[in-house]
Amino acid sequence: GPKVLQIPSHQIIDMGQMVTLNCDPVSNHLYFYWYKQILGQQMEFLVNFYNGKVMEKSKLFKDQFSVERPDGSYFTLKIQPTALEDSAVYFCASRGTVAEQFFGPGTRLTVL
Amino acid sequence: AQSVDQPDAHVTLSEGASLELRCSYSYSAAPYLFWYVQYPGQSLQFLLKYITGDTVVKGTKGFEAEFRKSNSSFNLKKSPAHWSDSAKYFCALEGGGSNAKLTFGKGTKLSVKS
Repeated sequence: GPKVLQIPSHQIIDMGQMVTLNCDPVSNHLYFYWYKQILGQQMEFLVNFYNGKVMEKSKLFKDQFSVERPDGSYFTLKIQPTALEDSAVYFCASRGTVAEQFFGPGTRLTVL
Repeated sequence: AQSVDQPDAHVTLSEGASLELRCSYSYSAAPYLFWYVQYPGQSLQFLLKYITGDTVVKGTKGFEAEFRKSNSSFNLKKSPAHWSDSAKYFCALEGGGSNAKLTFGKGTKLSVKS
């Protein structure tokens, strides 16, 4: 089936540094999402993005977070600066015209 | 506000038995409901969805789910279960609209013993 790719699969950084998580969504999809999953817990919505704009964000989407998709390339989540509580697995998802989101394999972020 | 409850954190059964994973939701309008499965170290894989119409929906891997508006439930079923069904299962709700977010339950870890 359709695949969403995420780069990198793992990222370890020091607290206060900037990190960018990259997502390559399904090619004809127009709606993009980031979710956060802390180990063993449920997936939680961060933000969705359509037509170059943030449509909705949750309270987890702090001011240090930003998303963009310049010129149809990767859909990115940037955290600047990072904090210890940002350690989690971040999943990207994309959606076309049907009500079904396709998820990437996740990026495991560890903030030291 | 919307929420999803999966009351069973763990379910263990023997291969060949019938499985039913419980999911209830809270949402003020007509929900879109989904089941996803997550194998260890992997991402979520779509199993099935209910949007409208027939209240019993069939999905991949032999799973089906029944939408019951009367008690706001969307339980996942399969018979018989196979050891390869061992994974974590997430129920999710979408409030509709083209950019709507998914709200997930906490998941049920299923262990099928051979």
